[in-house]
This record gives sequence, structure tokens and C-alpha cells, in this order.
Amino acid sequence: GAVVSQHPSWVICKSGTSVKIECRSLDFQATTMFWYRQFPKQSLMLMATSNEGSKATYEQGVEKDKFLINHASLTLSTLTVTSAHPEDSSFYICSARPGTGWSYEQYFGPGTRLTVT
Amino acid sequence: AQSVTQLDSQVPVFEEAPVELRCNYSSSVSVYLFWYVQYPNQGLQLLLKYLSGSTLVKGINGFEAEFNKSQTSFHLRKPSVHISDTAEYFCAVSSQGAQKLVFGQGTRLTINP
Repeated sequence: GAVVSQHPSWVICKSGTSVKIECRSLDFQATTMFWYRQFPKQSLMLMATSNEGSKATYEQGVEKDKFLINHASLTLSTLTVTSAHPEDSSFYICSARPGTGWSYEQYFGPGTRLTVT
Repeated sequence: AQSVTQLDSQVPVFEEAPVELRCNYSSSVSVYLFWYVQYPNQGLQLLLKYLSGSTLVKGINGFEAEFNKSQTSFHLRKPSVHISDTAEYFCAVSSQGAQKLVFGQGTRLTINP
């Protein structure tokens, strides 16, 4: 199946700093990418949907200025957590889909664990 | 708006026993339904999906699920589980025409020898 990678797999940063997480589709072009957040032992919450070349669509309650998403190419999307605080510590998962219809599977990355100290 | 309820947060079973993980959804429009598995510290892997057609859907690793429109359910079943099936299982729904998935709370399946 198609592969989605995330980098880094885990990161520790100090409060107030920014951290960037990359999501890459390795063997297909991703028309759409999604960013999720998962707290320990909880479900995935969609943060935003991004289509290549256009601005991301954020879910209600997600701060656009804090979680910057850039879908720069058909194989790369980045999530930047700006001015991170301990409450931003979480497991961030991206997914990518090669088309816009549900006949196309959504492939998930392995996740990035962010710890803000 | 759609929502998904996974009725059991944890399901312990013995190896080689059958298992059913329950999932109910609510939606005012036609839906697509999915089951994903998540192993520790990993992303999600698609087990199976229902888009249309036969209500009994077969997936990977011997899992199957049945779409029941009248009961708004999409329960996941496996006739005989293995230790390697220990993982978190998520049910998800999307409405036709929508791009995003809405996930249930997850069910932790623990297999005891």
C-alpha cells in the first residue's frame, strides 16, 4: 500500500518555541492531506484539511495562527506549532489521500509525539 | 452533524475466541463507514470500509463488519482472534460528499493467552 511518513517521530521543545512537523506521501501524489491530534487513550480529532496550493480549512476551535499548515506540494504538508505551550503536548498524526473521492483510501502517517516542557 | 459511538472502551478476550467490537453512528445523510486499527505508537491502518453495495464487508486480517442501516450500526467481528490483534480499534464515519472522517472514541482489544 501507499506510504506516508512523518518527521520527526518525536520532539521535545521548550515552552515558547516553535516546532515544525513534516508529512510526506512517499509513493503517491496527495491531493488532500489531513492533520489530526490525539490525546493519550483518546480518539483522533481533526484539526485541519489542506489541499495542495490552497489555504487549509481549520476545524472549529483550532487556532489558525497557532497551528500553521502549509501544503506546499503534492507530496509534502507541514504543521508548525507556534509558541508552543505544555498543553500543546500531544500525538499529531497526518494522513493523505490521492484523490478527492472516497474510492481513494486515506493513508495515515506513523505520528509525531510532541512534548513541550 | 455526524457522530460515532463505540460502546466498549475495552474488550478483553481469550486467544482463538470470537470477538465483536460495537459501533453506532448518527447522521442525517447517507454515510461511508470505516474501521481502523492502531498499534502502539503508530498511525492508523484501514481494516475495512463500507461505501455501498453488500452490507457485509470483509477486510484484512480476517476481520469483517456488517452495515445495518436500520440500527445505524457497523459492528466489527472476527471469528478467532490472535495475540497479534491486540491494538486500539477505531470506527469512523464520513458523509457522502464530505472529505473528513469523524472518529469514535476507540476500543482497546486485549487478547489473553
